Amino acid sequence: AQSVTQPDIHITVSEGASLELRCNYSYGATPYLFWYVQSPGQGLQLLLKYFSGDTLVQGIKGFEAEFKRSQSSFNLRKPSVHWSDAAEYFCAVGAVAAGNKLTFGGGTRVLVKP
Amino acid sequence: DTGVSQNPRHKITKRGQNVTFRCDPISEHNRLYWYRQTLGQGPEFLTYFQNEAQLEKSRLLSDRFSAERPKGSFSTLEIQRTEQGDSAMYLCASSFPPGAGGPSSYNEQFFGPGTRLTVL
Repeated sequence: AQSVTQPDIHITVSEGASLELRCNYSYGATPYLFWYVQSPGQGLQLLLKYFSGDTLVQGIKGFEAEFKRSQSSFNLRKPSVHWSDAAEYFCAVGAVAAGNKLTFGGGTRVLVKP
Repeated sequence: DTGVSQNPRHKITKRGQNVTFRCDPISEHNRLYWYRQTLGQGPEFLTYFQNEAQLEKSRLLSDRFSAERPKGSFSTLEIQRTEQGDSAMYLCASSFPPGAGGPSSYNEQFFGPGTRLTVL
């Protein structure tokens, strides 16, 4: 069975500072990995995805993530945070063998200080 | 087609009432997924369809829940005899099926805005 852990429930960061959100997954085969962002009361927007190939993937809004198979991690980073990045971030894993359904982590809520 | 749409966006009901939500996927997408998200949690898978066939149901989907996709286009999710524990955001997503982009390919899901259910 797939599982995803996001160890940090809340992160507070100053505007302009860097941000890193952690994600660890458990899956027996090569996973398909995703980061989604959710603003209050809104649906999920895909930030980036990893299917195969280059382990450093670029996404929208200046985000990037690095897949590390040896650590079963897919951490999300942004070099300089903007106030509009305040939201909840979800890491998810999917697999063709599991019907492509997504298993999500519990989320990390990001607060941005001025 | 501008994306996945869900109606209503908000629903407030009294315990014991039945409610029905609708999801309209992206028109080219064969697959349609339902997820439930409770406050402070990540979304949890409920069920999914390929065209009109319901291929998998989660154990979270009790017998009070029923989902349909009669013509392989829009889908409905009905909850009978609602309970306060059913209060959540219900999210719908759609995608192409695996293989549409090549063997064993994974096709990303596009999410709708969700229906927020409050059971009083």
